[in-house]
Amino acid sequence: QVHLQESGPGLVKPSETLSLTCTVSDGSITNYYWSWIRQPPGKGLEWIGYIYHSGSTNYNPSLKSRVTISVDTSKNQISLKLSSVTAADTAVYYCARETPTVTRFFDYWGQGTLVTVSS
Amino acid sequence: SYDLTQPPSVSVSPGQTATISCSGDKLGDKYASWYQQKPGQSPVLVIYQDNKRPSGIPERFSGSNSGNTATLTISGTQAMDEADYYCQAWDSSAIFGGGTKLTVL
Repeated sequence: QVHLQESGPGLVKPSETLSLTCTVSDGSITNYYWSWIRQPPGKGLEWIGYIYHSGSTNYNPSLKSRVTISVDTSKNQISLKLSSVTAADTAVYYCARETPTVTRFFDYWGQGTLVTVSS
Repeated sequence: SYDLTQPPSVSVSPGQTATISCSGDKLGDKYASWYQQKPGQSPVLVIYQDNKRPSGIPERFSGSNSGNTATLTISGTQAMDEADYYCQAWDSSAIFGGGTKLTVL
């Protein structure tokens, strides 16, 4: 079954850009939506945005001005960049797969990676 | 913006039925999904398309969605079901409820 693995720095300084990569194994990246979802410590889930294998994107309006999601189909990787980070961006960041059906749900999730924003 | 509201906590005795609600404007016109999250773990899909169970999810998990409320029902609740549960639907964005902590006493 498909496996998702997030990777990237665990510590980012305020005002800098958070960069994470999600590597998809044992499955194709094609024909699926790939989302980034985050969870601040002790809090709920927040959807950041998704990308389709073709490169089309949709972002959470609350984060849209700071978010860029990209895909590298040759490497089976999805990337997240979040600029001008503050302590409020400290969270576990998950990548998740979504099957592009009318019903729309996240069927596979990565293990998540904790990113702390601190100087 | 579209919001989904869940009770912060629900308690249930082992073997009894737990119900967790998720309310949103005309939620019944959308498809609801439910995710289970245990401490230190990633969320796991337990219900999609309002009432369908993914492969490997026990039959005691069921769902419904009508009007303004989606409901997750766990029949014969077991200690292993103790977790946080999140409802989710799509508006122009993916929306998650605030989560419900299920305690099995």
